[in-house]
Amino acid sequence: DGGITQSPKYLFRKEGQNVTLSCEQNLNHDAMYWYRQDPGQGLRLIYYSQIVNDFQKGDIAEGYSVSREKKESFPLTVTSAQKNPTAFYLCASSPPNRGPLHFGNGTRLTVT
Amino acid sequence: EDKVVQSPLSLVVHEGDTVTLNCSYEVTNFRSLLWYKQEKKAPTFLFMLTSSGIEKKSGRLSSILDKKELFSILNITATQTGDSAVYLCAVELVPTGTASKLTFGTGTRLQVTL
Repeated sequence: DGGITQSPKYLFRKEGQNVTLSCEQNLNHDAMYWYRQDPGQGLRLIYYSQIVNDFQKGDIAEGYSVSREKKESFPLTVTSAQKNPTAFYLCASSPPNRGPLHFGNGTRLTVT
Repeated sequence: EDKVVQSPLSLVVHEGDTVTLNCSYEVTNFRSLLWYKQEKKAPTFLFMLTSSGIEKKSGRLSSILDKKELFSILNITATQTGDSAVYLCAVELVPTGTASKLTFGTGTRLQVTL
């Protein structure tokens, strides 16, 4: 079955540590995205990538970094510069004709 | 600043009731409006609306867009406990590339009780 796999489901880190969230898709989609979801707020776009080796900042990119070395993979690193990293992180992808986004099951990150 | 506002924020209904969820928007360069259902984890796609006045229907769910008044509604008839979820509205802006840039509302949390 085609889909988007995010790992791990739950992640716990100490403040000051960088952490990388994995996102893999086998849908053959060119575009991939990272969103952050906080209670009482809508999903907010962190970064997106339209093609391998290219990515753009979204609305809340500060404290985050990404890479897109393979079409299937779009990992997100939450750096120690991110002031409020505890959140639910969702990865998504979309087909070339700009159809609806397909989402992964998310990673819940807790930083203490 | 692009804005998507959903109402109500939360709703509790009895099984069998009909509910209407609202989504209003103020954005530049509107392309489409999307509805998603989020139960625990991944939002799942429900509808994409691009034209005013054309109802999209899937089973007990239906949705319509009004581009003049800048809003959309999502109707669920004969609600079931399985409809309990957060319903997300998102507006897609006209893209400059191949990516879809969505602005999401905060969601409406629906709880259907027996």
